[in-house]
Amino acid sequence: AQTVTQSQPEMSVQEAETVTLSCTYDTSENNYYLFWYKQPPSRQMILVIRQEAYKQQNATENRFSVNFQKAAKSFSLKISDSQLGDTAMYFCAFRGNRDDKIIFGKGTRLHILP
Amino acid sequence: NAGVTQTPKFRVLKTGQSMTLLCAQDMNHEYMYWYRQDPGMGLRLIHYSVGEGTTAKGEVPDGYNVSRLKKQNFLLGLESAAPSQTSVYFCASSESGAAYTDTQYFGPGTRLTVL
Repeated sequence: AQTVTQSQPEMSVQEAETVTLSCTYDTSENNYYLFWYKQPPSRQMILVIRQEAYKQQNATENRFSVNFQKAAKSFSLKISDSQLGDTAMYFCAFRGNRDDKIIFGKGTRLHILP
Repeated sequence: NAGVTQTPKFRVLKTGQSMTLLCAQDMNHEYMYWYRQDPGMGLRLIHYSVGEGTTAKGEVPDGYNVSRLKKQNFLLGLESAAPSQTSVYFCASSESGAAYTDTQYFGPGTRLTVL
């Protein structure tokens, strides 16, 4: 069975700093998809970024980028120039190529300090 | 477009009571999902549906039932509520289920407390 592990329950950084959130996963599949979701205090879940396992190039969305290490089964999220609005819970998620559903990690609560 | 809406936003039940949570989406999505979110546990899938008239079990289905009689609605029922079902419930929908091109859109959540 696939699993997703986020080893950092909570993190705090100063505004404008760069922060990296860790995620590891376990799967026997060769092709799959990885996601980072953001859940701000409003509770609304928002897709931040996604990565296809067969693409070697790391995905980037503005200040958000990932470091995808397929052999190590690692999928970290880097937030550059962090802003107060980045304060949220961040969930790493996995989806197999033939799966109908997504498996979420337990989340990392990120605080951006003024 | 309202996106994904959930009714109600908050509810308090007594042990043994029943209730139904309604999820509605106006994006003509085929796939719909119910999750529960508990502190330190992330989101766990309860049930999901890949189309009108279909349902399937997720990771934590016990104590819940679902129905998808109309494409736009996905109902989550608790027949006999238990304190262990105190949680925040999220509904989500997605267009086709295609793993990469698909995006799950989430509702705002329902906070349920069972006393």
